[in-house]
Amino acid sequence: AQSVTQLDSQVPVFEEAPVELRCNYSSSVSVYLFWYVQYPNQGLQLLLKYLSGSTLVESINGFEAEFNKSQTSFHLRKPSVHISDTAEYFCAVSAIGAGSYQLTFGKGTKLSVIP
Amino acid sequence: DAGITQSPRHKVTETGTPVTLRCHQTENHRYMYWYRQDPGHGLRLIHYSYGVKDTDKGEVSDGYSVSRSKTEDFLLTLESATSSQTSVYFCATGVRNRQDNEQFFGPGTRLTVL
Repeated sequence: AQSVTQLDSQVPVFEEAPVELRCNYSSSVSVYLFWYVQYPNQGLQLLLKYLSGSTLVESINGFEAEFNKSQTSFHLRKPSVHISDTAEYFCAVSAIGAGSYQLTFGKGTKLSVIP
Repeated sequence: DAGITQSPRHKVTETGTPVTLRCHQTENHRYMYWYRQDPGHGLRLIHYSYGVKDTDKGEVSDGYSVSRSKTEDFLLTLESATSSQTSVYFCATGVRNRQDNEQFFGPGTRLTVL
C-alpha cells in the first residue's frame, strides 16, 4: 500500500515570493507521482506528473517538482507566486504494476497568496 | 479535458433516503472512480470500475454501492443516506496503462444529508 504526507495544511505567502509545498510518500514499489490543483468550488486539475526519466518536471504555469527517490519526496515549488495561484494542492501517488488502479492522495495544502 | 459530467451538482436529502449520483464520460476511458472529499481528509476512494460490470471496493466503501452497465456511465448509490455521508463527491476517469495512471476529474456533486 502507498501513503502520502503533505506536511503543511496551510501555506500563506506574499505575492511574488517563492513557495514550496512539501510532499512525502511511502511505497514498497516504484511509483508515479502527481500534483493536482483545486480552485474554489471546482474539480481537480492535473498540475504536473512524474512518470519516468528526468526527475524534474514542470508545469505550463511556472510550477516545478522534483522526484527524490532517496528521500521519497516530490516537493512542489514556484519561484514567484501570483494571486491566481491561490488554491488547494494535492499530492498523489500510484504504484506501478498490474492491479494498481488507484491514486492515493495526501490531505491537501491550501496555498493563500497575500497581495 | 476529459468530458466528464456529474449529476446532480447539488442535492439535499434526508437521513434514510436512497440517493443515486451519476457520472457520465465521453472519452471512452476504461477506468472510472468515485471519491469523496472531506475537510482534513483529502480525497478518499469509495469504489472503482475497471470495465463494464467490473467494480471493486475502495478505502471507504461501507454504505455505498456502484454499478456500471455502460462504458460511459458509473452510478454511485447510497442505499440509506446518513449524515456522515454529507460530502463532496467526485467522479474520475483514467486510461491506466504501463506508462501512466493520470486521472481526470468531474466537477463534483455536493451532497447534504439532513
